[in-house]
Amino acid sequence: AQSVTQPDIHITVSEGASLELRCNYSYGATPYLFWYVQSPGQGLQLLLKYFSGDTLVQGIKGFEAEFKRSQSSFNLRKPSVHWRDAAEYYCAAVSGAGSYQLTFGKGTKLSVIP
Amino acid sequence: DTGVSQDPRHKITKRGQNVTFRCDPISEHNRLYWYRQTLGQGPEFLTYFQNEAQLEKSRLLSDRFSAERPKGSFSTLEIQRTEQGDSAMYLCASRGVDNEQFFGPGTRLTVL
Repeated sequence: AQSVTQPDIHITVSEGASLELRCNYSYGATPYLFWYVQSPGQGLQLLLKYFSGDTLVQGIKGFEAEFKRSQSSFNLRKPSVHWRDAAEYYCAAVSGAGSYQLTFGKGTKLSVIP
Repeated sequence: DTGVSQDPRHKITKRGQNVTFRCDPISEHNRLYWYRQTLGQGPEFLTYFQNEAQLEKSRLLSDRFSAERPKGSFSTLEIQRTEQGDSAMYLCASRGVDNEQFFGPGTRLTVL
């Protein structure tokens, strides 16, 4: 079955430190990949997406992600975290056919120590 | 820029009551999705519309759930005879010609 795994439930970093959130996918073919952020009481905001091409993609708010086919991974990174980045982060994937429904991981909660 | 809107934002109901949620997608988007998000989980797909046609439904969508998109614009999601297990955030998303889904703020349902 198609699935997305986020191994880390909760990560705490100090403000100004670098960040890496992990995401692995299990699909028959390379899916389209997304990272979303959700602040408390808010909907989901798209940070970045990967469809094809350059494996390093840049997103909003200073985030980037690297697609690694050999590891079936799409990890999210940020060189310097701000306290406003504290939120829940979701990795998602969609197969390139049919309804394009998103399959989400369970999320990683990011806490930032001032 | 009018994004996806959902109404109500919060709904508290008693077990056994019916509830209806509304989603207004981005106006030029012809594809609309409903997802459900329970505490500590990522969103899970419920159903998909292209224009007014409901093309896909998840096994999560029991017969107590029904969704419509009568004129290919707004959509409604109705839950009949609510159960405590229906308590969740119900998210709506719309998509245009590319592969990016834009999400609304969600409707949080609490069933007492």
